Amino acid sequence: SQTIHQWPATLVQPVGSPLSLECTVEGTSNPNLYWYRQAAGRGLQLLFYSVGIGQISSEVPQNLSASRPQDRQFILSSKKLLLSDSGFYLCAWSQDTNTEAFFGQGTRLTVV
Amino acid sequence: EDQVTQSPEALRLQEGESSSLNCSYTVSGLRGLFWYRQDPGKGPEFLFTLYSAGEEKEKERLKATLTKKESFLHITAPKPEDSATYLCAVQAPAGTALIFGKGTTLSVSS
Repeated sequence: SQTIHQWPATLVQPVGSPLSLECTVEGTSNPNLYWYRQAAGRGLQLLFYSVGIGQISSEVPQNLSASRPQDRQFILSSKKLLLSDSGFYLCAWSQDTNTEAFFGQGTRLTVV
Repeated sequence: EDQVTQSPEALRLQEGESSSLNCSYTVSGLRGLFWYRQDPGKGPEFLFTLYSAGEEKEKERLKATLTKKESFLHITAPKPEDSATYLCAVQAPAGTALIFGKGTTLSVSS
């Protein structure tokens, strides 16, 4: 069966520090991978998605970037965090673009 | 612009009191509608996928239905463990990732 791992679960970082969140999927190959952010009282906002190694599409211009160095690995990064980057970050995968997505347990990021 | 609107924002029920959650969407050429359950501090858990008007899916006390404009998540005789935020999402023809509504937070008291 397929599983998705996302870490860390919580993170407190100072303003201006770098960020690296990692997500890996097991039990499938060539998945579509996604990074979402969820802010309180707002829906899930798509940040990045990837349909293959090295292929990254950005949905929202911002202080973040994403990379997919391996088929089942998706990384969310920032060189310098802003206070507004605080939120709940979710990684997800799907087998195709019109099938259900499965989510990791999320990372609660607090920028102080 | 493709949009998903969920109502109500919050719903309080007594145990055993059946009700429905609504998800209305404005998407041309819907490719799929998805329901998720999210517990506090956790990632969303997939519940159902609906692809065409008239389709219905059931799981325990939950039943999802789909029309050309909206979807309903019916909860029959809910229990306290059904308390969670229920999210609706749609897949548009442009076909990148899912577009989510803001969710309905359900509280069921015994």
